[in-house]
Amino acid sequence: AQSVSQHNHHVILSEAASLELGCNYSYGGTVNLFWYVQYPGQHLQLLLKYFSGDPLVKGIKGFEAEFIKSKFSFNLRKPSVQWSDTAEYFCAVRTTSGTYKYIFGTGTRLKVLA
Amino acid sequence: EAGVTQFPSHSVIEKGQTVTLRCDPISGHDNLYWYRRVMGKEIKFLLHFVKESKQDESGMPNNRFLAERTGGTYSTLKVQPAELEDSGVYFCASSQDRSGYHEQFFGPGTRLTVL
Repeated sequence: AQSVSQHNHHVILSEAASLELGCNYSYGGTVNLFWYVQYPGQHLQLLLKYFSGDPLVKGIKGFEAEFIKSKFSFNLRKPSVQWSDTAEYFCAVRTTSGTYKYIFGTGTRLKVLA
Repeated sequence: EAGVTQFPSHSVIEKGQTVTLRCDPISGHDNLYWYRRVMGKEIKFLLHFVKESKQDESGMPNNRFLAERTGGTYSTLKVQPAELEDSGVYFCASSQDRSGYHEQFFGPGTRLTVL
């Protein structure tokens, strides 16, 4: 069965620290990859997505992610976090056939200390 | 452009009662998805509509859950009778189509608590 693993459940960083959140998936076929963010009291918003092409994807608010096919990974990075990045981050995989439903990881709660 | 809306935002009911959740997708989005997040776990797919037709119900937990999408517009998800394990946040998402470069847009979720 397809699954997504997010290794860090809770991360606490100081402002200006660098961030890397891990995401690994298990699926042998072609996938689309996503990172969503949920800020406190808000709905899930798309940070970035990968469908094909350059494996280094840039998203909103200075986030980027790198797709490494051989490692089945899609890690999220940001060189310098801000207090406003405090949120929960979700990695998701979508198959490219069938219903195109998302399979999510368990989420990572990030707290950035001012 | 209005986003995906869900009603109510919170619902607290007792075991055995019935609850109906509503989702209004983005106008023009034929694809509508329901997901659920039980506390501490991942967001899990429940089902998928294309217009008024159910395309995939594989994630529905059991026959206490009934989803409808009348006229291909808004959708409702009814839980009858509710059980304790049904507590969680129910998300609705919509997309313009299933393929290509269109992602799903999510609503704010309905937090359901069954006592």
